[in-house]
Amino acid sequence: DAGITQSPRHKVTETGTPVTLRCHQTENHRYMYWYRQDPGHGLRLIHYSYGVKDTDKGEVSDGYSVSRSKTEDFLLTLESATSSQTSVYFCAISEIGGEGEQFFGPGTRLTVL
Amino acid sequence: GENVEQHPSTLSVQEGDSAVIKCTYSDSASNYFPWYKQELGKRPQLIIDIRSNVGEKKDQRIAVTLNKTAKHFSLHITETQPEDSAVYFCALSGNTGKLIFGQGTTLQVKP
Repeated sequence: DAGITQSPRHKVTETGTPVTLRCHQTENHRYMYWYRQDPGHGLRLIHYSYGVKDTDKGEVSDGYSVSRSKTEDFLLTLESATSSQTSVYFCAISEIGGEGEQFFGPGTRLTVL
Repeated sequence: GENVEQHPSTLSVQEGDSAVIKCTYSDSASNYFPWYKQELGKRPQLIIDIRSNVGEKKDQRIAVTLNKTAKHFSLHITETQPEDSAVYFCALSGNTGKLIFGQGTTLQVKP
């Protein structure tokens, strides 16, 4: 597996609380992505980054924000978690962007009660 | 915008049979078409990809075909084995530089 880790791996939180998920890579890849995976919906892009401090929205960005202050770290924040954000979150990295292989992290299972 | 429909959602085959999964898309600007495999509890991993200037690509028991005119591409797995059981996702990328994934196909290979 590519050098990509996610923390935490599991989290249970309550509605209305802020949550931050971290993605860390050691591959020095330029592109980083956050997806959520839900049954019947496949993998849906939340936000992505094409460089330090350069981010853009994906198809399901409402309720989420991201930050990338260093090449190796990409943070996903749920400002006020809702039950609809219960999901498995995957981070991915890519050297050349959308037309190149994406390497996925191990995933974070988030439950919002 | 880009959109991709994947069928079937579930597929059950006997060991040794072939499996075919098809994806259709709407944006003619799409030019990169990867397939990912996700085993239970694991992360998705790329198994094969194809670009728009190629009609077919093979890698041992798996192959992908692309029909740009009809806007569909398919994954073919021959001589299926129990370890092929997994969820398979098609995806595509176009001018936006982002990957759009299909809804996934759960393949079960019965011994």
